[in-house]
Amino acid sequence: DAKTTQPNSMESNEEEPVHLPCNHSTISGTDYIHWYRQLPSQGPEYVIHGLTSNVNNRMASLAIAEDRKSSTLILHRATLRDAAVYYCILDSYGGSQGNLIFGKGTKLSVKP
Amino acid sequence: DSGVTQTPKHLITATGQRVTLRCSPRSGDLSVYWYQQSLDQGLQFLIQYYNGEERAKGNILERFSAQQFPDLHSELNLSSLELGDSALYFCASSARDPPYGYTFGSGTRLTVV
Repeated sequence: DAKTTQPNSMESNEEEPVHLPCNHSTISGTDYIHWYRQLPSQGPEYVIHGLTSNVNNRMASLAIAEDRKSSTLILHRATLRDAAVYYCILDSYGGSQGNLIFGKGTKLSVKP
Repeated sequence: DSGVTQTPKHLITATGQRVTLRCSPRSGDLSVYWYQQSLDQGLQFLIQYYNGEERAKGNILERFSAQQFPDLHSELNLSSLELGDSALYFCASSARDPPYGYTFGSGTRLTVV
């Protein structure tokens, strides 16, 4: 199974941008890059996903390297509510495979 | 509210007992997935159902079983419970075609005493 590597933890100041990196050097051509986050005592929450091109949505932006071996989740203005564990996941075959492999993720702390 | 409903929210039971966790997927989603999250193991995929059929299996113990009913809700049955089964159990659903995101419920916290 394809694996991802993320820093264990990161800190950010409120209202500043946050760049959360993820390495996935063994990614295959059909792997989608998904990001989820989990707030304390809640289920994981979908943030964004992409295949090759950079993606934007109301929550975040996803920047994907040209060789697809790494990606960066960008939170444009961190708020206290963004403090969570962020997971970068490779999803083979999309929803039909059904096997999201969650690593340890990056614990993001946001300071006021 | 994510649209995925899990009941009950909390469950306390004794070792050796059997429990059933229930999940109602988001409206229109045909796939249901079950995950277990314990402190030392993180989020582990257990099993997936798609429109009533088992689609994929992960690290699910033989003491555990699941099914998806015609109305698409799913149940996870855990039997002969052990202390180590204490964990958060999450259900997720997704739309028919990839690569849509997965929507998770708020989980059932199971405590085995």
